[in-house]
Amino acid sequence: NAGVTQTPKFQVLKTGQSMTLQCAQDMNHNSMYWYRQDPGMGLRLIYYSASEGTTDKGEVPNGYNVSRLNKREFSLRLESAAPSQTSVYFCASRAYFGTGVGADNEQFFGPGTRLTVL
Amino acid sequence: SQQGEEDPQALSIQEGENATMNCSYKTSINNLQWYRQNSGRGLVHLILIRSNEREKHSGRLRVTLDTSKKSSSLLITASRAADTASYFCATDALRGQNFVFGPGTRLSVLP
Repeated sequence: NAGVTQTPKFQVLKTGQSMTLQCAQDMNHNSMYWYRQDPGMGLRLIYYSASEGTTDKGEVPNGYNVSRLNKREFSLRLESAAPSQTSVYFCASRAYFGTGVGADNEQFFGPGTRLTVL
Repeated sequence: SQQGEEDPQALSIQEGENATMNCSYKTSINNLQWYRQNSGRGLVHLILIRSNEREKHSGRLRVTLDTSKKSSSLLITASRAADTASYFCATDALRGQNFVFGPGTRLSVLP
């Protein structure tokens, strides 16, 4: 049981290059998330997938696209990387998109991808 | 805008002392969760408190929730050097986008 895995761990891009960050979870979770974390700051939600087949924008979606390939996998694509996208990217999953009072539903995080855009 | 805001931003204490971190939020919530992040690592879930609970314990952790003040506190008792990390609160909103993280409290426990 690997939990949430992310590839690659590190990446350096030049401005304008594209790349896809991969995320997979083996916990049969319905919901998956992509966050970015800038130095000294908390996590900001880029996109999320409440369930297989759906994706929605988070707080900072500009410059990114996502694909929920299947229940296990949720990828994040940078079509034309910019220096402002230099950050650490975290993927997370949770059992379900909790609603209602009392929903116990923690998020499980991957180890992160450290991306530098020159 | 961020839902949760931790306070203080940074805290430095001696080993054996207690550490208290606070979190304030803005909207109605299902629950509030605390996470720890060691340097260069992903976040690890510590404890969850439901909106209808006022206090919860887990080992050396004690969490309180005051929904009338929209605030929570995390107390770590008898701190250890290994507790050095950043601590984040995350609110699971009752409506709309769930799971919003605050900027975190950086805790340093000095031996």
